Amino acid sequence: DQQVKQNSPSLSVQEGRISILNCDYTNSMFDYFLWYKKYPAEGPTFLISISSIKDKNEDGRFTVFLNKSAKHLSLHIVPSQPGDSAVYFCAASDASGAGSYQLTFGKGTKLSVIP
Amino acid sequence: DAGITQSPRYKITETGRQVTLMCHQTWSHSYMFWYRQDLGHGLRLIYYSAAADITDKGEVPDGYVVSRSKTENFPLTLESATRSQTSVYFCASSGGGGRKQYFGPGTRLTVT
Repeated sequence: DQQVKQNSPSLSVQEGRISILNCDYTNSMFDYFLWYKKYPAEGPTFLISISSIKDKNEDGRFTVFLNKSAKHLSLHIVPSQPGDSAVYFCAASDASGAGSYQLTFGKGTKLSVIP
Repeated sequence: DAGITQSPRYKITETGRQVTLMCHQTWSHSYMFWYRQDLGHGLRLIYYSAAADITDKGEVPDGYVVSRSKTENFPLTLESATRSQTSVYFCASSGGGGRKQYFGPGTRLTVT
C-alpha cells in the first residue's frame, strides 16, 4: 500500500504562473517531508523540506505547505520558469527507529512549464 | 569535491550474468542507500546501510546483494540478472544526523 501518493502524474503550467504540486500520505508517524527535483539523466536533487511542527516553509520561489490533519502537503512554485520543468518527488520520513533515516517516495509529478 | 559518484553510468548485460554497480561518496556519511526508479513506481528502496558492515533490506531486495566494508563505498550486486531488473539505479547518502539524502547521477542498467 502506497504511503506517499502523488496523484497527478503530470502538470502543465504557463511561464510566470503558479505551479502547485500535491502530495498525500497515510502514515501518521511521518514527521518530516521533503521535495526533490529530477531532470532527465540526472539524480534527484533536494529542493525544500518541512518538519511536522511547521505548516509552511519558504525558500525563494518555492513554498511547501503542510496540512497535518488532512495528511496533505503541497509545493508552490511562484513564478514558474521553464527551467523548473522536471519530475518532482515528494518524500516522507518518520522518526521511529530505523525509519528515521529512510525516505518513502511518491511516484513523482512531471511538471512542464510552457514559455 | 566529487560528492557521490556512481559507475558505470550505463550498462548492458545478459540474463543470468552477475553485475556490480558501484557507489562512492566523499562526505563520510554514515547512511547509504540504493534505489531503483521504474516508470509508474517512483523511487523504491532496495537496500540501505547505517554504517560499515551494517546493512538492511528495503522494499524490493530480492535478487540483490550489498556489502559495505568501507564507509565511502556501497556496491550493489545483481548475482544473476533478470530482465525485470532493467531499471535506473540511484545511490544516495545522508549523514550528520540529517534526514536529507544526496543522490548520485544514476546507473541505467539494461538486462537483455
